[in-house]
Order: sequence, then C-alpha cells, then structure tokens
Amino acid sequence: AQKITQTQPGMFVQEKEAVTLDCTYDTSDQSYGLFWYKQPSSGEMIFLIYQGSYDEQNATEGRYSLNFQKARKSANLVISASQLGDSAMYFCAMREQSVYWGGSNYKLTFGKGTLLTVNP
Amino acid sequence: DTEVTQTPKHLVMGMTNKKSLKCEQHMGHRAMYWYKQKAKKPPELMFVYSYEKLSINESVPSRFSPECPNSSLLNLHLHALQPEDSALYLCASSLRNLAIGAFFGQGTRLTVV
Repeated sequence: AQKITQTQPGMFVQEKEAVTLDCTYDTSDQSYGLFWYKQPSSGEMIFLIYQGSYDEQNATEGRYSLNFQKARKSANLVISASQLGDSAMYFCAMREQSVYWGGSNYKLTFGKGTLLTVNP
Repeated sequence: DTEVTQTPKHLVMGMTNKKSLKCEQHMGHRAMYWYKQKAKKPPELMFVYSYEKLSINESVPSRFSPECPNSSLLNLHLHALQPEDSALYLCASSLRNLAIGAFFGQGTRLTVV
C-alpha cells in the first residue's frame, strides 16, 4: 500500500515571499508519479505540477517548483513570490498502480492537505 | 476554465429522492473517476471507469450507482441517500495510466436533508 504524508495542517506566508509545503511518500514501486493540486474554497481541484520517479530534473511550472528528493522520499512544493490568490488547500498525490491478471488499474491517492494562507 | 464539466453545481435532495450527477469531458481521456470529499478532508476515490468499463469500485454503498454511457460522459445516480452522504462530489478524467495526473471538474455540492 502506498501512503502520502503532509505534516503541515496549516501554513501562513507573507505576500511576495516564498513558501514550502512538505510532502513525503511511501511506496515500493520503482515507477510512480507525484502530483500537487490546489483547491480554492470554490472546490475545484486544480493541477499544479507533476514529477515522475525517473525524472532527473525537478519539475517547474511558473511560480511552482517541486523539490524532489528520491532517497528521502520527499516531494515538497515550493511557491515563489506568493500572491493573495494562492490562499487555498494544497494536496500532494501519488499515482498508485494495482496489477491484476488482465491488466492494471491506476488511481490517485491524496495526502491530508495543507491549508495555505497568504497575508497581505 | 475547466475542461471537465459537472452539473449541477449544487443539489439538495431528500432521503427518498432519486437524483443524478453528470460529468462531461472532451479531452479524449479514456479513464473517468468519481471522488467524494467531506469538508477539510482529502478526496476519497469512489469509482474508476476505464474505456467505459467499471474498473474500480472502492466498496461504495449501492445507493450510489455509476454509469458511463460513452467515453465523454459519466453519471452518478443517487437513491435513498443519508445525511452523512452530504459532501462535495468531484468528477475527474485522465489518460488511461494517469501519466500526467487527473483533471477535475468544479464539483457538485450535495446536501441530503
């Protein structure tokens, strides 16, 4: 079984500063994928960034970067130059594969989330 | 704008009602998902459809009945729900192997009275 751990229930950051949201994972698979999603109070889950287990470079998407440390099994999200609109719940997720005789199934498993508040 | 569209956005239903949630995507994805999310909790997987066939049912009560009429549509039929079923229901779609993650709709906020 795979597991995602987000140890920060809530984080506060000043506008224009950088913030790091922690995520550790546990898997015995060699091939896996890690994702970060943002969920504003409106409810929609917004995909932010993806890191594959074989990717040698850390993923970046605009102000978002993923600090991937494979040996430590961590995939922290770094948001640079925080904006008020970044206030939201952030979820780390991992792709989970289950193999059966006819093929395989895939699903996303989520951590408990971190509520980020950006202060003006 | 999301490319996964869910309707309705809000739904209030009685415990004896029958209602349906609808989800549509036009990204050519062949996997579609229903998630349930309670307040301040992560989404919990309910069902996965792959190539219009049910591939994962996470032991969901039979009062929730999924349906995938074609590769673009996913329905969730609701019958005899309980107040504890009140939650945000999220639909998502993806490539078959979740290679680049899943794309979510805006969700349906369901209240059972």
